[in-house]
Amino acid sequence: QVQLQQSGAELVKPGTSVKLSCKASGYTFTSNHMNWIKQTTGQGLEWIGIINPGSGGTSYNVKFKGKATLTVDKSSSTAFMQLSSLTPEDSAVYYCARRGILDYWGQGVMVTVSS
Amino acid sequence: DIQMTQSPSVLSASVGDRVTLNCKASQNINKYLNWYQQKLGEAPKLLIYNTNNLQTGIPSRFSGSGSGTDYTLTISSLQPEDVATYFCFQHNSWPNTFGAGTKLELK
Repeated sequence: QVQLQQSGAELVKPGTSVKLSCKASGYTFTSNHMNWIKQTTGQGLEWIGIINPGSGGTSYNVKFKGKATLTVDKSSSTAFMQLSSLTPEDSAVYYCARRGILDYWGQGVMVTVSS
Repeated sequence: DIQMTQSPSVLSASVGDRVTLNCKASQNINKYLNWYQQKLGEAPKLLIYNTNNLQTGIPSRFSGSGSGTDYTLTISSLQPEDVATYFCFQHNSWPNTFGAGTKLELK
C-alpha cells in the first residue's frame, strides 16, 4: 500500500535552515510527482510546489521561491524539502502528498521556529 | 492566483441529514476540483477528484458535482464519523490553491 513517511518534528532557530524528508513506499517513486503543502491556523493550506522524482524538475508557488527547495534521492525513494532563512512565519505543519491530485499524504511534520 | 471560496464556514447537521458543501473559484477551473476531509490531528484525505470521481475506499454517500467556477460536495446521509473539516482544492493552474474549509459539526 502507498505510504509516505515524514521525518519528525523540528524546533529550529530563526535564520537557520531545516531539511524535511518524505520516504515513499508501495509504488514506483519515480513515476509520480510529489507535492509539498504548508498548513497553518491563520493561512490554511498552501501549496508550496511540486517535483518530478524521475527528472528532478520542479515548479514552485512564487510565494515560496527562495524559501523552499525541493529535491529527491531516487536510491532511497525519498523526497526532501529544505526551508531556508527561517522566521516565525514559517512555523507550520508541512505535508508531502503524491501526484497532482494529492491522492496520498504523509502524516505531516510540525516545524516550530523560535529562539 | 485562483481564489477558492468555501461556504458555509461552519455547518451543523444531524445524523442522517443530506449535507451540501460549496466551493466557488474566482475563475473557470475546468472541473479540476478535488475535495479532502481532515479530521483533528490527521492529514487531509482525498475524497473526490476532478469534480465527481470517488477516490478508492471512500463511501458512496460522498459525491461531487459542478463545473466552471461552482462546485459541490454532497454527503447523502451524514454519519458521526463524517465530523471533520472539508477543503476544496483546484489543480487547474499553478499555483494550486485550497479553500479555507468548511467545518462540519453534529447538531
